[in-house]
Amino acid sequence: DGGITQSPKYLFRKEGQNVTLSCEQNLNHDAMYWYRQDPGQGLRLIYYSQIVNDFQKGDIAEGYSVSREKKESFPLTVTSAQKNPTAFYLCASSMTQGAAGNTIYFGEGSWLTVV
Amino acid sequence: QKEVEQDPGPLSVPEGAIVSLNCTYSNSAFQYFMWYRQYSRKGPELLMYTYSSGNKEDGRFTAQVDKSSKYISLFIRDSQPSDSATYLCAMLSYNFNKFYFGSGTKLNVKP
Repeated sequence: DGGITQSPKYLFRKEGQNVTLSCEQNLNHDAMYWYRQDPGQGLRLIYYSQIVNDFQKGDIAEGYSVSREKKESFPLTVTSAQKNPTAFYLCASSMTQGAAGNTIYFGEGSWLTVV
Repeated sequence: QKEVEQDPGPLSVPEGAIVSLNCTYSNSAFQYFMWYRQYSRKGPELLMYTYSSGNKEDGRFTAQVDKSSKYISLFIRDSQPSDSATYLCAMLSYNFNKFYFGSGTKLNVKP
């Protein structure tokens, strides 16, 4: 089945650790995104990528890093510089960012908790 | 002012009721409008997608866009307990290459 796979579903991080969230899509989409969702705050864009080996910061990129070495994969690293990382993280993709008739699809999300 | 405004609810209705969920927006360049349903601890799933103004129907769901008022709605007929979820509206302006989301309305359908 086509879709977006995020792993792990649940992740615990100790203070000062970096952690990486995986995102893989088999929809042949060009654009991929990472959002953070906090209770009552909606979706906030962390990073996005329109093409392999290129990505741009979103609204809340500080403390996060990404890579886009393959079209199918867009991993997110939450670094120790992120002061409040406990949240629900959503990976998403779309055919071509900004194309007419385009829409965005989401993975099932990853819960990150700092312990 | 946020680009997209959505009442967070919660909205509680009895089973079988007609539900109306709404979003307002400020950017007249928005051309594409989407509704997503998000169950607790899950990713949002696409429910409806419309272009410009007008209505679109899919089963019990109807999406309505009024660009003159900058107002979009999602109607759910014969609501079921399984419709209990958070509903997010989303918008796209192809000129700006960015999706804009409402904060979501939590719906509870009581049996």
